[in-house]
Amino acid sequence: AQKVTQAQTEISVVEKEDVTLDCVYETRDTTYYLFWYKQPPSGELVFLIRRNSFDEQNEISGRYSWNFQKSTSSFNFTITASQVVDSAVYFCALSEAEAAGNKLTFGGGTRVLVKP
Amino acid sequence: ETGVTQTPRHLVMGMTNKKSLKCEQHLGHNAMYWYKQSAKKPLELMFVYSLEERVENNSVPSRFSPECPNSSHLFLHLHTLQPEDSALYLCASSQDGGRGNEQFFGPGTRLTVL
Repeated sequence: AQKVTQAQTEISVVEKEDVTLDCVYETRDTTYYLFWYKQPPSGELVFLIRRNSFDEQNEISGRYSWNFQKSTSSFNFTITASQVVDSAVYFCALSEAEAAGNKLTFGGGTRVLVKP
Repeated sequence: ETGVTQTPRHLVMGMTNKKSLKCEQHLGHNAMYWYKQSAKKPLELMFVYSLEERVENNSVPSRFSPECPNSSHLFLHLHTLQPEDSALYLCASSQDGGRGNEQFFGPGTRLTVL
């Protein structure tokens, strides 16, 4: 069975600090997809990134970067020079290629609090 | 309207009431999902519809009854709920229900069962 673990339940930083969110996953599939979503206080989950299991290139998008390491089953997310607007709960999720209906398994989420 | 909308945003109901949650997606997608988010558990998938057919029912109690009349609308009918059903109910949509396609979420309905 697939499983996603986000060991950090809450992280508090001061604005402009970098923050890294850990995500470790378990799956038996060789083909799978990993996601990060952001959930601000408004409640709506906002899609940030998707990665497939064959693409281990790290990615940078503005202040966001992702480090996918298949060898350690990790897909970590770093926010550089954090801002107050980054305060939210961040979820890592996994979708297995063989799962019916594009089923997403979410981690427990990491709450990020950025203080001014 | 754009994206995925949900109504109502907040709902308070008694255990004997019957109510429905509505979700509408304006993205041209053909797969829709219901998730439950409670304080004690991670986001849980409840139902998946692909091309208006239910393809996943994640062991959800029968007091929750989904309906997908077309690819743009999804309902969740509620009856005789329990207080532990109080949660944020999120709707999402994606293209094809295909493996790995990102899902787009609505703002959710905050449900309180008294």
